Amino acid sequence: QQQVKQSPQSLIVQKGGISIINCAYENTAFDYFPWYQQFPGKGPALLIAIRPDVSEKKEGRFTISFNKSAKQFSLHIMDSQPGDSATYFCAATRYSSASKIIFGSGTRLSIRP
Amino acid sequence: GAVVSQHPSRVICKSGTSVKIECRSLDFQATTMFWYRQFPKQSLMLMATSNEGSKATYEQGVEKDKFLINHASLTLSTLTVTSAHPEDSSFYICSASPGQGSITEAFFGQGTRLTVV
Repeated sequence: QQQVKQSPQSLIVQKGGISIINCAYENTAFDYFPWYQQFPGKGPALLIAIRPDVSEKKEGRFTISFNKSAKQFSLHIMDSQPGDSATYFCAATRYSSASKIIFGSGTRLSIRP
Repeated sequence: GAVVSQHPSRVICKSGTSVKIECRSLDFQATTMFWYRQFPKQSLMLMATSNEGSKATYEQGVEKDKFLINHASLTLSTLTVTSAHPEDSSFYICSASPGQGSITEAFFGQGTRLTVV
């Protein structure tokens, strides 16, 4: 029940295309869903996050879509650029305290020029 | 955003020796710090949660006598890998959270690549 399932494992997208990464969770106690971007040899960095009271959050080219009833959420990267090539992790946690963050398995995204 | 500094970024040590990794929150007080381990092409695996002034809480399967965690102040936590062996070679990452009922956002360090030879 603590798992966060992420797909696909790897993704290749042409420059300018849309990259879509999907995640699903089981524990309904989770109420904060961040996405992290990690470059090789670096720690993860927060990209964008959403709480379940909204169905969508957009920040620049990055959009999270959230489906509370299905317990699914996804990251859309519009106009994907070579600099977006990285590993992306979805995650789930509880907002109200410094709770454990449960990470998805990660998606290695490659943007072809 | 807040800054978490991790040191060293890379370390090579001989088998049987101990290695200490530091994690500092530079511009906020971290009530809670987390330590992760990441194998190549895999996700982050939580090793332990440390709260300032109290003993760390270790995840199942993590040897507390091997991975010593100290959170002596609100800005510093250390992870000591004792009697390191080649299988301990990995990427270790810390994160820090202000906690205290406010936003739960965790800020990550840049990671430490440990190689045991």
